[in-house]
Amino acid sequence: DQQVKQNSPSLSVQEGRISILNCDYTNSMFDYFLWYKKYPAEGPTFLISISSIKDKNEDGRFTVFLNKSAKHLSLHIVPSQPGDSAVYFCAALGGGSNYKLTFGKGTLLTVNP
Amino acid sequence: NAGVTQTPKFQVLKTGQSMTLQCAQDMNHNSMYWYRQDPGMGLRLIYYSASEGTTDKGEVPNGYNVSRLNKREFSLRLESAAPSQTSVYFCASSEKAGETQYFGPGTRLLVL
Repeated sequence: DQQVKQNSPSLSVQEGRISILNCDYTNSMFDYFLWYKKYPAEGPTFLISISSIKDKNEDGRFTVFLNKSAKHLSLHIVPSQPGDSAVYFCAALGGGSNYKLTFGKGTLLTVNP
Repeated sequence: NAGVTQTPKFQVLKTGQSMTLQCAQDMNHNSMYWYRQDPGMGLRLIYYSASEGTTDKGEVPNGYNVSRLNKREFSLRLESAAPSQTSVYFCASSEKAGETQYFGPGTRLLVL
């Protein structure tokens, strides 16, 4: 049973435009959500997070939105740059464990020059 | 700061061989973790250590053992490797439970 779902395996956008990556979850006890970026042959790099008590968190070009009623979060990247091309993982903490990050399967973002 | 470091970067084993994956962090974090990533899947937790001196099973612990050697180091041991353990292994650390986890570069393991 997949508790964190990223339904789009891939996304392609033009440089300078907005990238929107989506994530859905099923466990209402998750209370902290994170986005990681991963380049090939490297470890996941922490990007941005949001607590369940907030609905938005912004850091430079990256903004995460959380809709608790819909159990949905999204990552917006504006403007997108070719260096943003990577696999993006949505992850959640809580849900009975403060140790286990529950990951989605990832979305491959390609930003075309 | 190096963050989280892992050795080796890549290893090939034959079925039945044993090996230890090493992980160290220099961020003075209390909690450390081992995950594995398989093709087309997110990362899954193998074992974690909430603090120095404690270890607990995660989601997929079978076939593995761990040692929290000190606050900095957390090792993962495969006693008798199997082809199903072919994967990429990531170590991570966090200041404490419930906080952001920071990952190492990974160890690619191939079991023939």
